[in-house]
Parts: sequence; C-alpha cells; structure tokens
Amino acid sequence: EAGVTQSPTHLIKTRGQQATLRCSPISGHTSVYWYQQALGLGLQFLLWYDEGEERNRGNFPPRFSGRQFPNYSSELNVNALELEDSALYLCASSVGLASTNERFFGPGTRLTVL
Amino acid sequence: KNEVEQSPQNLTAQEGEFITINCSYSVGISALHWLQQHPGGGIVSLFMLSSGKKKHGRLIATINIQEKHSSLHITASHPRDSAVYICAVGGSQGNLIFGKGTKLSVKP
Repeated sequence: EAGVTQSPTHLIKTRGQQATLRCSPISGHTSVYWYQQALGLGLQFLLWYDEGEERNRGNFPPRFSGRQFPNYSSELNVNALELEDSALYLCASSVGLASTNERFFGPGTRLTVL
Repeated sequence: KNEVEQSPQNLTAQEGEFITINCSYSVGISALHWLQQHPGGGIVSLFMLSSGKKKHGRLIATINIQEKHSSLHITASHPRDSAVYICAVGGSQGNLIFGKGTKLSVKP
C-alpha cells in the first residue's frame, strides 16, 4: 500500500512569489494535515482538512491557505512568500475525524525562499 | 513555558544501552504521539497513546495521564536508532503540539 506522497520534493522561489505544495494521502484516509518545520523552530501545525472542508488552522497568516479535493488529495498555497517561509512542509493523513487516529507522514517538501 | 517539554535535548549512548526519553505536557489531550525523524526529514509515527503502555519490538512507550507525562524507552539500542525523537500531543481539533525533539546518537 502506498504511503503519503508529497510533491515537489524541493521548491525554490523568490520573495513575493507564490508556492503550491501537493499531498496525496493514503488510500481510504479522509483527513489531511499540514505542518511547517522551520529551521530551529520545530514542527508547527498549519492546517487540517477532512472531507473537503477546512476543520482547523494553526497560528499562521491568511496567505497560508489550501484546499482538499474530492479524491482527498490536498494543496497548500503560500502567497507573497517571505524569507522566513523557508522550511520543510510536512503532510500527514489519517482515517476520519477522530483525534485518536494515527497520523501517517509524507516525506515533505523543502521550500527555499530566496 | 512550552506546552510540551522533552528531555533530554541531546543524548549520546553506546550500542546496547537502555535509553529513556521523557515528555511532559501541560494541556489536556486526546492522545500523545511519539515520532521519529531521520536526517533526511521524513517522519515515522512510532506510537500513539491515550493510556497505559505500548510495545513494538525494542521500543516501549508509556503514559501517565494524571501526571501528564510520557516516556519512550529503547532497549538494546543500535546505531540505526540514531534520529530525532519527537513527542506531540493532540487535542480534539486535529492540531498537534510538538516538543522540540530529542536528538539521539548511538555509537557502535
């Protein structure tokens, strides 16, 4: 069974541009979570989607947004990129809404903003 | 004060040693997760606990809900166990609050 996949692996953008990151969950998983791991800051929760709806978002500005498609894959969009957006962006998926469902993580997309 | 505290921050062990990593949290939780992150960045979920104890191979995780504390134990440690171990606590809203991680290095 395929795990969580993310694309691209690496992404280089310049300040002010927009970045789009993609995530495909494990088959049968309806929840997708996005996390940011900036250098020296640790992992932080960004967004949670389930059944196509945004269920919760972390303490990030509105220029971080996303969506979940009918096939449960998800996109994370970051507008007006800033240097401090450089980070590893991790996606995870789980079965359904229950907070006690195990999360399965993808390999991440490393975003570099120049 | 961080809502999730891990100790130690760094840990060096000799192959074969018994290792303990601790996690304390200050918020109400639905579940606690132990994650492993290798240098490439990929994260593997090791355990998810809401009570008691779980064992998988040489790894054991325990949680004390009353004391808001969890431990991850590695028996007979091996150099391939070298990684960053991250404790994360989950609430009912899908978010996880992460500890800063414990960097483990096991020397042969």
